Amino acid sequence: AQKITQTQPGMFVQEKEAVTLDCTYDTSDPSYGLFWYKQPSSGEMIFLIYQGSYDQQNATEGRYSLNFQKARKSANLVISASQLGDSAMYFCAMRGMGYGQNFVFGPGTRLSVLP
Amino acid sequence: DAGITQSPRYKITETGRQVTLMCHQTWSHSYMFWYRQDLGHGLRLIYYSAAADITDKGEVPDGYVVSRSKTENFPLTLESATRSQTSVYFCASSESGLEINEQFFGPGTRLTVL
Repeated sequence: AQKITQTQPGMFVQEKEAVTLDCTYDTSDPSYGLFWYKQPSSGEMIFLIYQGSYDQQNATEGRYSLNFQKARKSANLVISASQLGDSAMYFCAMRGMGYGQNFVFGPGTRLSVLP
Repeated sequence: DAGITQSPRYKITETGRQVTLMCHQTWSHSYMFWYRQDLGHGLRLIYYSAAADITDKGEVPDGYVVSRSKTENFPLTLESATRSQTSVYFCASSESGLEINEQFFGPGTRLTVL
């Protein structure tokens, strides 16, 4: 079975600083994808970044990067130059390949950016 | 409008009543999903569908029924609502599961069962 662990229920970061949100996973699938989603207070789920298990390089999308360490089964999200609008819940998720492979989400981390 | 929509956005009902939450997507995505979100639990999968007429249980399927007669629609029915089903419900869709693709979420339905 797949499992996602996010050990930080809440995080604080000063505006313009970088922050790392932790995510570890467990799976027996040889191929899988790792995702991060943002949920602001308005409630919608926003896709941020994706990392494939066979990707050689860490994924980056603007101010978001994913620190992927396959041997340690970790996929931490790094947000550079935090902005007040980054205050939100952040969810790490995983999906295996093939038919019937649904998504598994972690419990989330609430990030608060301080002015 | 293109995308994934849910209706109603807010619903209050009483214990024992039947409630149907609607989900519609315009991308012709193969996969569709229903999640519930509760404090302390994150998102938990209720049911998912790989294609029209193909549905499978997720982590918390009890008390829910789904159908998918058309690719674009995936309604979720609470046959006899209970207070424990008070939650925010998200519908999502993605392209074929044969490749790794992100999910796209609807805006959510906030359901209160009195």
